[in-house]
Amino acid sequence: AQSVTQLGSHVSVSEGALVLLRCNYSSSVPPYLFWYVQYPNQGLQLLLKYTTGATLVKGINGFEAEFKKSETSFHLTKPSAHMSDAAEYFCAVSTGSGTYKYIFGTGTRLKVLA
Amino acid sequence: KAGVTQTPRYLIKTRGQQVTLSCSPISGHRSVSWYQQTPGQGLQFLFEYFSETQRNKGNFPGRFSGRQFSNSRSEMNVSTLELGDSALYLCASSLANRPNEQFFGPGTRLTVL
Repeated sequence: AQSVTQLGSHVSVSEGALVLLRCNYSSSVPPYLFWYVQYPNQGLQLLLKYTTGATLVKGINGFEAEFKKSETSFHLTKPSAHMSDAAEYFCAVSTGSGTYKYIFGTGTRLKVLA
Repeated sequence: KAGVTQTPRYLIKTRGQQVTLSCSPISGHRSVSWYQQTPGQGLQFLFEYFSETQRNKGNFPGRFSGRQFSNSRSEMNVSTLELGDSALYLCASSLANRPNEQFFGPGTRLTVL
């Protein structure tokens, strides 16, 4: 069975500081991994995804994530936080074949301090 | 290209009633998935439809059902509503050859009183 763990339900950073949101996964097969962002009263927007190939994935809005198989991690980073980054972030895993459903983490709410 | 649209955006029902939510996928997308988002349980997969057939199903009671039409539009129905069904219901669509890239709609906020 697959699962996703997001460490820290709330993370606060100062504007301009590094953003690091943690995600660890469990999967018995090679996973497909995703990060989504959700702004208040909105749906989910795909930030980036890892399927195969390069383990460092770059996404929109300056975010990137690195797939580390040995650590079963897929942490999301951004070098410099902006006020507009304040939102809830979800990590998700999928098997990639057969069952096309996502298993989501519980989410991390990012607060950016001025 | 228009995104995934969901109607209505907000809905208030009372216990025991039933409700139908609608989702129109992105043009060309044939797979539609539904998710329930609540503060307590987070995001949970309900079911996925492809070419009018339910291909995958999550762990929800039979009160939750869905269907997909020939134009790929999908509806989700919840019968005998309970207070715990209050949630944001999200629909996502994807291309047939890229099932792992799902695009989400804005959701329908259902409140059960």
